Amino acid sequence: AQSVTQLDSHVSVSEGTPVLLRCNYSSSYSPSLFWYVQHPNKGLQLLLKYTSAATLVKGINGFEAEFKKSETSFHLTKPSAHMSDAAEYFCVVSGAPSGGYNKLIFGAGTRLAVHP
Amino acid sequence: NAGVTQTPKFQVLKTGQSMTLQCAQDMNHEYMSWYRQDPGMGLRLIHYSVGAGITDQGEVPNGYNVSRSTTEDFPLRLLSAAPSQTSVYFCASSGTTSGRRNEQYFGPGTRLTVT
Repeated sequence: AQSVTQLDSHVSVSEGTPVLLRCNYSSSYSPSLFWYVQHPNKGLQLLLKYTSAATLVKGINGFEAEFKKSETSFHLTKPSAHMSDAAEYFCVVSGAPSGGYNKLIFGAGTRLAVHP
Repeated sequence: NAGVTQTPKFQVLKTGQSMTLQCAQDMNHEYMSWYRQDPGMGLRLIHYSVGAGITDQGEVPNGYNVSRSTTEDFPLRLLSAAPSQTSVYFCASSGTTSGRRNEQYFGPGTRLTVT
């Protein structure tokens, strides 16, 4: 079975400092992994995804994530936080395909606060 | 393209009432899903469809029905609303174009309150 654990429910950083949102996963086979962002009262937007190509994945808005199989981790980073990065972030793993459809399994989310 | 659209945006129901949440997509995607979002629990899959006429249960299907008569539409029905169904509901769709098979596109959500 697949599962996702986001290690921090809340992260607070100052504008201009690095961001690190941590995610560990469990999967019985080679997974696809995603990070989605949700701004207040909005839907979810895909930030980036890993699908067994390069282990360092670059996404939108300066975010990137590194897939580390030995550590079963997929942490999200950004060198310099911006006020507009304040949102909730979800780490997601794709489950086993069923009828061609890959169910997504969501972590509980990490709320990122950015202070001036 | 409008992407994934959901109506209504907000809804208040009394316990026992029924209603249908609408979802439509104009990307010709085969796969469509319904999720509910509750604080501290991420999104949980309610039902999904791999094509017109084919639906299956997700993680939390009780109290909800779905059908998929067309590729574009995937309505979610609450037969007898309960306070435990107070949540934010998201519809999503995805296709099978190479390299984008798992990428799901989400609608803006429906915030439902059951009193």
